[in-house]
Amino acid sequence: QKEVEQNSGPLSVPEGAIASLNCTYSDRGSQSFFWYRQYSGKSPELIMSIYSNGDKEDGRFTAQLNKASQYVSLLIRDSQPSDSATYLCAVNPNSGGYNKLIFGAGTRLAVHP
Amino acid sequence: DGGITQSPKYLFRKEGQNVTLSCEQNLNHDAMYWYRQDPGQGLRLIYYSQIVNDFQKGDIAEGYSVSREKKESFPLTVTSAQKNPTAFYLCASSTGRSSGNTIYFGEGSWLTVV
Repeated sequence: QKEVEQNSGPLSVPEGAIASLNCTYSDRGSQSFFWYRQYSGKSPELIMSIYSNGDKEDGRFTAQLNKASQYVSLLIRDSQPSDSATYLCAVNPNSGGYNKLIFGAGTRLAVHP
Repeated sequence: DGGITQSPKYLFRKEGQNVTLSCEQNLNHDAMYWYRQDPGQGLRLIYYSQIVNDFQKGDIAEGYSVSREKKESFPLTVTSAQKNPTAFYLCASSTGRSSGNTIYFGEGSWLTVV
């Protein structure tokens, strides 16, 4: 069974701090990785995608990928209360070439003023 | 505006009834998907379709059916065989087969059994 694991949280950080969200995956052949943000009662929205080892930065967000360790993370700098949400890690195992995503259960982030 | 439209947003089903959730996209995406989300859990794939007139079962297809007669439309029917259908249902689409293509979601439909 191909799995994506996340700590459910909640992860509580003060406003202005760096929030670090982690995700591990079991399928070593996975090629593409995504972070989605989901507010309560809403649908997921894409924050970052990453395909190569290393870091990828977009504004206050940095995604980090380490395929050897089967680990992907999301850093949120200068956290704001509006960042409070559940963050879903998603992995494409690329089985048969189809674009199917396997999702983790999500980490709930709470940013307090 | 381009996007994925799901309807209805809220739906109540009586025991033994079939219900159909609508999903329409005007993004010209080839691939479409249906996911289910239960409280505090991640998304689980019900069905997906890569092209018109073709679809494949996902991880939890039992009790569900789909059709893909048009590129823009991918309706999901929740049948009476689905014993625990109360959940948040998400339709999604992507450009195609490449593993790097991003999946985008509609706003979701809440289904409750009464």
